[in-house]
Amino acid sequence: EAQVTQNPRYLITVTGKKLTVTCSQNMNHEYMSWYRQDPGLGLRQIYYSMNVEVTDKGDVPEGYKVSRKEKRNFPLILESPSPNQTSLYFCASSQVFRETQYFGPGTRLLVL
Amino acid sequence: SQQGEEDPQALSIQEGENATMNCSYKTSINNLQWYRQNSGRGLVHLILIRSNEREKHSGRLRVTLDTSKKSSSLLITASRAADTASYFCATDAGSNYQLIWGAGTKLIIKP
Repeated sequence: EAQVTQNPRYLITVTGKKLTVTCSQNMNHEYMSWYRQDPGLGLRQIYYSMNVEVTDKGDVPEGYKVSRKEKRNFPLILESPSPNQTSLYFCASSQVFRETQYFGPGTRLLVL
Repeated sequence: SQQGEEDPQALSIQEGENATMNCSYKTSINNLQWYRQNSGRGLVHLILIRSNEREKHSGRLRVTLDTSKKSSSLLITASRAADTASYFCATDAGSNYQLIWGAGTKLIIKP
């Protein structure tokens, strides 16, 4: 089944404790993105990747890191999480640039 | 960054009625997409309409695009309880290789 998977789905952590949210897609897509979704603010792009080893900042990259060492994986790293990073995070992939996006199920993060 | 705008922000209708929501954007586009999100879950792609298309159908969904008015509408006919969700439009009008997302229309279908 074609899908984007994210782990963990739910995470409660404390300020400053490094964490990684994994994202994997099995559709051989070139393009992958990370978004955060906050009430009233809609979807905001954090980082995107156009291919292996090619990543760039989106709208709200501060406090986040990404890497794309393999085509299928695009982990999101929060090196020192803060409470303002409490949010719902989505990974997405697409075969054609800026066309149909396939979203993961989301990771709900709470930073205390 | 600029955002598409959906209206209404919320819409509540009876099951069986038609639901219409609109999306406006600010600069020229190559395509516009509609997505559905059930509460707290991942977004699901519904329809992509290109700038040279005026109307597109998929099952009970009908999307129109008016590039002169920089707007699109999504019509859901014969609504069902399962259509209760938030609906988002996204355009490729963004800079820095981004999709620009609207804030969404929350649709509630009353039984």
